[in-house]
Amino acid sequence: DTEVTQTPKHLVMGMTNKKSLKCEQHMGHRAMYWYKQKAKKPPELMFVYSYEKLSINESVPSRFSPECPNSSLLNLHLHALQPEDSALYLCASSPISDGPYEQYFGPGTRLTVT
Amino acid sequence: AQSVTQLGSHVSVSEGALVLLRCNYSSSVPPYLFWYVQYPNQGLQLLLKYTSAATLVKGINGFEAEFKKSETSFHLTKPSAHMSDAAEYFCAVSDEGANNLFFGTGTRLTVIP
Repeated sequence: DTEVTQTPKHLVMGMTNKKSLKCEQHMGHRAMYWYKQKAKKPPELMFVYSYEKLSINESVPSRFSPECPNSSLLNLHLHALQPEDSALYLCASSPISDGPYEQYFGPGTRLTVT
Repeated sequence: AQSVTQLGSHVSVSEGALVLLRCNYSSSVPPYLFWYVQYPNQGLQLLLKYTSAATLVKGINGFEAEFKKSETSFHLTKPSAHMSDAAEYFCAVSDEGANNLFFGTGTRLTVIP
């Protein structure tokens, strides 16, 4: 199984809502990532988890809260988002080894904040 | 710091023509280089990767890329474009031992029938 799955595919939420994005992989990868991608732009790294521990936080606002409950699952909890947070949120995973660190991406969650 | 530059935000080719997408990297150490493709409303799919084992790298869907250290380039080519190749293409670089991928700004490929 070489697939990264993400749910939901689409999400519309108000600025006062709390919602969560879910990502799952069963490739045995021990690094998992969240990216944000705006239209016509490259993905921007948000968070990196290595061995279920947060290793990189790219100065992301606290209204985004990541969680890695186990080696296969990655969540992104959303609260009090702003309209400018509307974007495609991509999850990825990769092996941790001597490299190269090719990342496997999920299909993304299209988030709209109203 | 690692970075890649993709020349040309939009490239148009005729069906059956050569595809050439340009990527130049900036790195103080031998890099790992990747090409990803993104179809509309989808995630990124790895096309190929350079790992220093061979300078000419073959990927999926008939694409290949050549690592040229003297030119700090890793251009993506395909001899004959298909309509299904229309997508956004991203070049990316990472350091050995790093978890980060640094993406270029992307090149949108249009294939004209």
